[in-house]
Amino acid sequence: SQTIHQWPATLVQPVGSPLSLECTVEGTSNPNLYWYRQAAGRGLQLLFYSVGIGQISSEVPQNLSASRPQDRQFILSSKKLLLSDSGFYLCAWSAGTGPREQYFGPGTRLTVT
Amino acid sequence: DQQVKQNSPSLSVQEGRISILNCDYTNSMFDYFLWYKKYPAEGPTFLISISSIKDKNEDGRFTVFLNKSAKHLSLHIVPSQPGDSAVYFCAAADSWGGGGSYIPTFGRGTSLIVHP
Repeated sequence: SQTIHQWPATLVQPVGSPLSLECTVEGTSNPNLYWYRQAAGRGLQLLFYSVGIGQISSEVPQNLSASRPQDRQFILSSKKLLLSDSGFYLCAWSAGTGPREQYFGPGTRLTVT
Repeated sequence: DQQVKQNSPSLSVQEGRISILNCDYTNSMFDYFLWYKKYPAEGPTFLISISSIKDKNEDGRFTVFLNKSAKHLSLHIVPSQPGDSAVYFCAAADSWGGGGSYIPTFGRGTSLIVHP
């Protein structure tokens, strides 16, 4: 069966510090991978998605970047965090073709102070 | 411009009654629709989906109805239980478009509270 891991669960970082959130998927090959952010009352905002190793698409201009160094690994990064980067970050995966559902990780609560 | 709208931010229902959560969309290219359930501090979990070739899909207590002409879908939960209390997200996708990319668009969610 497929599982998705995301860590850390919570993170408190000062403004201007770097960020690295990691997501890994097990039990599937060549998944589509996604990073979302949920801000209060704003639903799920898609930040990045990837259809393969090294292939990253960004949905919104921002202070963050993403990388996919391996097929089932997706990393969200920032060189310098802003207060506005605070939120609940979710990684998700889906199968590679056709209509399908997404499976989400447990999320990371990031607080930038 | 929101392509998927959940106009009710919250809904309160008595245990045992029906919960009806609504969702409207504007993009006529959407052909696959999903509902997710989310508890606080957890990731959303997939609940039920429906393809545009159908107008109803049922799974236990959960039924999703799709009205393509109105660009409207709804999730019915019967009977509602206190454990159903969560935020429900509607999502829609153009499942074969985007050159292979699959990017569902999510609504902002409806918080359902089921009172015992």
